[in-house]
Amino acid sequence: DTGVSQDPRHKITKRGQNVTFRCDPISEHNRLYWYRQTLGQGPEFLTYFQNEAQLEKSRLLSDRFSAERPKGSFSTLEIQRTEQGDSAMYLCASSPGRGANVLTFGAGSRLTVL
Amino acid sequence: AQSVTQPDIHITVSEGASLELRCNYSYGATPYLFWYVQSPGQGLQLLLKYFSGDTLVQGIKGFEAEFKRSQSSFNLRKPSVHWSDAAEYFCAVGARNTDKLIFGTGTRLQVFP
Repeated sequence: DTGVSQDPRHKITKRGQNVTFRCDPISEHNRLYWYRQTLGQGPEFLTYFQNEAQLEKSRLLSDRFSAERPKGSFSTLEIQRTEQGDSAMYLCASSPGRGANVLTFGAGSRLTVL
Repeated sequence: AQSVTQPDIHITVSEGASLELRCNYSYGATPYLFWYVQSPGQGLQLLLKYFSGDTLVQGIKGFEAEFKRSQSSFNLRKPSVHWSDAAEYFCAVGARNTDKLIFGTGTRLQVFP
């Protein structure tokens, strides 16, 4: 068990470019979550998956954002046409599911949009 | 509306002093309550959780928290703080029928030698 892995750890991009983040959850966890954390704030829920099904999306997840978990293992979060307001830490977490709510977080992917 | 309030943005204590970080929640259902800690540039690590039963819960690193339903509070305590405890602390609330955790805005702890 290597924990939750996120890649890349840091990404600097220019406004208007597309970026993609990857998350590898703990192998036996069937739920995967994406959160966004801006400076001075707590994490905000974006979306979550049960296996490969995306079960809920926050209103924060505009149509420029898309998340996938194609085989129920790793997940990707893509942001198209990035804006400066997208600069944040994107955190991935996983859990065993079944209402346990005990999330294990990765170290996060920090995005800076210039 | 569901929310978590951490009224203290920044707390400074001396090493060896006691610590209490405040957390108040507003949640319609029976809450599950959590405290996470985040070191600079890192993800969040679970300190402790409350689901039901004994309202005083013990966590890792010598932390404990007490659930007080009448006050809608879940304050985090530690009797003697170590310099390595300097970090950001987040309180969060969830419930049995949802996987979402709602986080507070965090309290930054600074420890002086």
